Amino acid sequence: GAVVSQHPSWVICKSGTSVKIECRSLDFQATTMFWYRQFPKQSLMLMATSNEGSKATYEQGVEKDKFLINHASLTLSTLTVTSAHPEDSSFYICSALAGASNNEQFFGPGTRLTVL
Amino acid sequence: AQRVTQPEKLLSVFKGAPVELKCNYSYSGSPELFWYVQYSRQRLQLLLRHISRESIKGFTADLNKGETSFHLKKPFAQEEDSAMYYCALSPGGGNKLTFGTGTQLKVEL
Repeated sequence: GAVVSQHPSWVICKSGTSVKIECRSLDFQATTMFWYRQFPKQSLMLMATSNEGSKATYEQGVEKDKFLINHASLTLSTLTVTSAHPEDSSFYICSALAGASNNEQFFGPGTRLTVL
Repeated sequence: AQRVTQPEKLLSVFKGAPVELKCNYSYSGSPELFWYVQYSRQRLQLLLRHISRESIKGFTADLNKGETSFHLKKPFAQEEDSAMYYCALSPGGGNKLTFGTGTQLKVEL
């Protein structure tokens, strides 16, 4: 099956700093990737849809200036949490849409962000 | 807006017993329904989708539009079925997923 990686797998940062998370499709091209957020013992919440070569589409209630998304190539999307605060601490998961697999979403392993 | 409800946070069954993980949804159009599974320390992966109408690892799920349900069933639970199961919905023709809160299945010996 298609493989999606995320880097880093976990990160700890100080309040006020920015953190970048990478999502890569390793063996396929993905024009569309998704970013989710998961709080402990809760479900995945879609944050935004990342489209290669165009602006991301954010879900209602998600601050686009806080969660910057860049989909610069067909295999890489990045999520930058700007001016992070403790309430941004969460598990961030990306997925990539594989058109060749009947539009199945393949998920990354997630990134644990802790803001001190 | 669409919503997916999984009423059970935890379901514990004995090995060999039947399993049914409940999923109800609300959506005004024609949705596509999915079951995703997350084994311990592994990433989320697709188990099955209703349009495929197939059985994966012995699991089946039938979309019941009248009851707006998509329950996941398996006649005989195996220990390796222990995992977190998420029901998800995608609007017809779209790719965005709305997830339920998940049900932790524990199969005991």
